[in-house]
Amino acid sequence: EAAVTQSPRNKVTVTGGNVTLSCRQTNSHNYMYWYRQDTGHGLRLIHYSYGAGNLQIGDVPDGYKATRTTQEDFFLLLELASPSQTSLYFCASSDKISNERLFFGHGTKLSVL
Amino acid sequence: AQSVTQPDARVTVSEGASLQLRCKYSYSGTPYLFWYVQYPRQGLQLLLKYYSGDPVVQGVNGFEAEFSKSNSSFHLRKASVHWSDSAVYFCVVTGGNNKLTFGQGTVLSVIP
Repeated sequence: EAAVTQSPRNKVTVTGGNVTLSCRQTNSHNYMYWYRQDTGHGLRLIHYSYGAGNLQIGDVPDGYKATRTTQEDFFLLLELASPSQTSLYFCASSDKISNERLFFGHGTKLSVL
Repeated sequence: AQSVTQPDARVTVSEGASLQLRCKYSYSGTPYLFWYVQYPRQGLQLLLKYYSGDPVVQGVNGFEAEFSKSNSSFHLRKASVHWSDSAVYFCVVTGGNNKLTFGQGTVLSVIP
């Protein structure tokens, strides 16, 4: 089964801080996604990518940048973190354009003080 | 635009009882529908999916869901729940445009 590994598992930073969340997937999936999970909102799509060098804007992109450096690696960047970005972040990957099945990482819990 | 509503934020049932988790979707075309489950401190896992055909689809661990176009619903059911089914359940819709829309999630608590 495909594996998606996120790091770190937990992160605490201060307002205005610089944070990078990392995601690596095996199985050579083309599509990778970053979601945030907040109570009452379910999962909301931040950014996604079709492949190395490609980046697409999701539904809640403000305050976030992303970069897909290789087929395997997808990074989420918060350059000026704010308390509103305190959340649980999930990375996911899929191998079909129809999003038949997403494989999720275990999540990164980010706290911005 | 597509949307998903899970009207029950929390559901509590006794072990061995039957279960229904409700999901209503909004999508103008033909939807692809999914149920995902999130166990504590884990990522989401696919339970089942519906694309077309038989409106009742079977998933893992005895779960099934029924698609209703007339009601715009995709309710999840299980005949007899186990304590290990306690988790958060998400209904998801997509139109095949590479963007999934998640419901708010339903927290299921199974009482032994």
